[in-house]
Amino acid sequence: QAVLTQPSSLSASPGASASLTCSLRSGLDVATHSIYWYQHQPGSPPRYLLRYTSDSDKQKDSGVPSRFSGSKDASANAGILLISGLQSEDEADYYCLIWHNGAWVFGGGTKVTVL
Amino acid sequence: EVQLVESGGGLVQPGGSLRLSCVGSRFLFSGQWMSWVRLAPGRGLEWVAAANQDETKKYYLDSVEGRFAISRDNTRNSLYLQMSSLRVEDTAVYYCATDGRDGWSPAERWGQGTLVTVSS
Repeated sequence: QAVLTQPSSLSASPGASASLTCSLRSGLDVATHSIYWYQHQPGSPPRYLLRYTSDSDKQKDSGVPSRFSGSKDASANAGILLISGLQSEDEADYYCLIWHNGAWVFGGGTKVTVL
Repeated sequence: EVQLVESGGGLVQPGGSLRLSCVGSRFLFSGQWMSWVRLAPGRGLEWVAAANQDETKKYYLDSVEGRFAISRDNTRNSLYLQMSSLRVEDTAVYYCATDGRDGWSPAERWGQGTLVTVSS
């Protein structure tokens, strides 16, 4: 079982909200991890978006629009990237990342399509 | 603005070796942890290796441990990745990235990447 599992794709209309999940493998506890999120658009290097540890410990990179936010769903043992008010420029692959057993581990990525 | 420029990619046969370089500018290179991350065609991002400022701490992806070696020369603002015993599955665009002063801001800034193709 992969350390981090992300849905392979998600489609939504402009203006809608998109909730991207990053599920931690059984045996890992999302409460004890910081979840990092990255955006990758073809032709450009990936871009760091934000880190979410808790409501009192979170950080967003400079220039990242306010419509991007992070959270956790403890019941699902998952990190969440919420994109509120989707725009066409948000069409990209999104990856989560955690530190696990002495290494950084990326999720498989979610391809977001803005219909 | 942070600038990272990778070089050294190319076509290499399975079992061969290659050395990647990354030169940083417009930031204090010697003050940053640094990483290599790769993006393989049809696959996602994969972290490869990281090193702290004085190379006393180095971490590797399991599948490259013993084959790849990360190093740096702070006098040249340069990060390196020596890759040996290359496999077809190592084919990817390799990016260098900054990881912050304490290593807990992974891949905060990225270079444009250099393509490594392992094929016979």
